[in-house]
Amino acid sequence: GAVVSQHPSRVICKSGTSVKIECRSLDFQATTMFWYRQFPKQSLMLMATSNEGSKATYEQGVEKDKFLINHASLTLSTLTVTSAHPEDSSFYICSGARGTGFSYEQYFGPGTRLTVT
Amino acid sequence: ILNVEQSPQSLHVQEGDSTNFTCSFPSSNFYALHWYRWETAKSPEALFVMTLNGDEKKKGRISATLNTKEGYSYLYIKGSQPEDSATYLCAFNPRDSSYKLIFGSGTRLLVRP
Repeated sequence: GAVVSQHPSRVICKSGTSVKIECRSLDFQATTMFWYRQFPKQSLMLMATSNEGSKATYEQGVEKDKFLINHASLTLSTLTVTSAHPEDSSFYICSGARGTGFSYEQYFGPGTRLTVT
Repeated sequence: ILNVEQSPQSLHVQEGDSTNFTCSFPSSNFYALHWYRWETAKSPEALFVMTLNGDEKKKGRISATLNTKEGYSYLYIKGSQPEDSATYLCAFNPRDSSYKLIFGSGTRLLVRP
């Protein structure tokens, strides 16, 4: 159990366009979903946290108008990179949490590689 | 700034060798420490969640220990196999933001047959 899918796995887009990435929890209800970004040779860095039906909470330095997050249901969250630029090229990965128990376990998708040309 | 450091960055071992890596994290403000195994093109897979000082957890040939007072965790793999080749990530949950995971940059393990 606890499977998370992401779509697409890879996307190439032109500078100035917008790209939407979907994150789905397939066999559990994710009360909270997280979006991370990883630049080459760096750690996974949390971008934002979203709860179903609420506005996302963004980490310091992450532009909320550029990275639009929608958590419309307990199984789906989307990240839209608006007006993408080459510096947005990165690996984006989501996770879902059931939020039960003492430790807050997160279940990750396989990630999306975004290349902006 | 909360830093999580992992060492070594990468490791090449021969099949059958035992190996271990380190994760260091802030000893204050501790809530939990997670280990993940991440194979290329797959999702990171949770290995262990550790919460108590002195915790030791085991899953098959993989085990982990936790020292919250000094801020480190070790991951051990006994008798490495080629299928153990992956990046091993640790992630720290701070007590004041227990939903957050702060990741290290990982240890990339390659096991040669």
